[in-house]
Formats: sequence, structure tokens, C-alpha cells
Amino acid sequence: DIQMTQSPSTLSASVGDRVTITCRASQNISSWLAWYQQKPGKAPKLLLYKASSLESGVTSRFSGSGSGTEFTLSISSLQPDDFATYYCQQYHSKGTFGQGTKVESK
Amino acid sequence: QLQLQESGPGLVKPSETLSLTCTVSGGSIRSGSYYWGWTRQTPGKGLEWIGSVYHSGSSDYNPSLKSRVTVSVDTTKNQFTLKVNSVTAADTAVYYCTRSTGYYYFPSDYWGQGTLVTVSS
Repeated sequence: DIQMTQSPSTLSASVGDRVTITCRASQNISSWLAWYQQKPGKAPKLLLYKASSLESGVTSRFSGSGSGTEFTLSISSLQPDDFATYYCQQYHSKGTFGQGTKVESK
Repeated sequence: QLQLQESGPGLVKPSETLSLTCTVSGGSIRSGSYYWGWTRQTPGKGLEWIGSVYHSGSSDYNPSLKSRVTVSVDTTKNQFTLKVNSVTAADTAVYYCTRSTGYYYFPSDYWGQGTLVTVSS
């Protein structure tokens, strides 16, 4: 099984801040990584795939980078709508998710 | 606009079979290179991909659940179904039906709203 580890688990930030979340894979997954946003009581929403490709309709405030075992999700200027929990998912071998990073208001 | 909607019992007894159906509207389950699947979410284990099916009927599963899970498709009804055998309290979760593009466990671009299934006597 490929394990995905996100850090931090919780991140406190203010509107306008640049935010970065890290996801590490237990083995090389090339660029087979996706990022999701989830708000309470809602289904996850796909933000990025192939590590850095923006899903259609998603704001360019979100960007992704990395390959191999280390990846980052960045939000360029945090907006009120961005307070949520973010998950990474590897799809190199089956599909496993990170444990999530909650972005909360400072 | 494509929509997915889960349906099924919200309460299942231990050792019994959990059965959920996902109805797809706004598009055909037979079109394109789409894979129709299930992901569940628990407070303890987070998000977990369960398995997916192609419109041909071929399927793929999470190895940790493979022995107890079946995902099947009914193209005439534009629906697909999840069955989990021999459930325990650990199967209590919010279950989402999803659509993925490209392969069974690729990222899901469409999700149902989710349905809570509780395993309890």
C-alpha cells in the first residue's frame, strides 16, 4: 500500500495569506497526485490532478507542484471561501488519500 | 449537468450485506472513458476508495476490501450498485458514488452528495 502523509494537520491563516500544504508519498508516484477541497457536510471537490493540472472551473489561486514523493498545494491569496479541509490522493497504485489538512481562520 | 445520487438503507445490522445504488442523470453511464465508483469517509480512517466499475462490467477494488465488495452496473437503468458483505461497525461511514475519467481509481470529478450508513443492531 502507498501511504500518503499530509502536513500540517491544521493550518491557521488569514484572508490574503499565501498558504502551502505538503503531501508526502511512501514511495515514488511520479506525478499521479490529485488535490481535493472539502467543506463540512459536502462531497470533496477535485481541484488539481497530475500534480499540477488545474481542474476545469477551479480558480487559478490554487496551484500544485512536485513529483516523486513530495508534493505541495498552494493557495496564492486565501479567500473566505477557501477555509476548508484539503486532501491529497495518489493514483499511481489504486487510490489512497492523505488524512487531510484543515485550513482555519486565524 | 451530470448528477449522481446515492440511495439505500441508512441502517444495516452487523454481519448483513450493505447495498447502495447510485443513479446517474444528465449523462449516459455508457459514454466515454468513465469509471463509476464508490468512496467512503469515516472520522477515523478518512477517505477510502472502495472500488469502481466500467460500463462493460469490468471492475477493480481496494485490496483491503476486495473479499467483501462487489460493484456492478446496470446500463439500462443508468445505475451502478455497491454491495459490502459481512459488515461490522467499522463499515459505518458516509458513502459517496463517484465518476472518474481514465481508469478505475483515477481522480473523481463528479461526486454524489453522500449517504450515511450506520452498522448497528
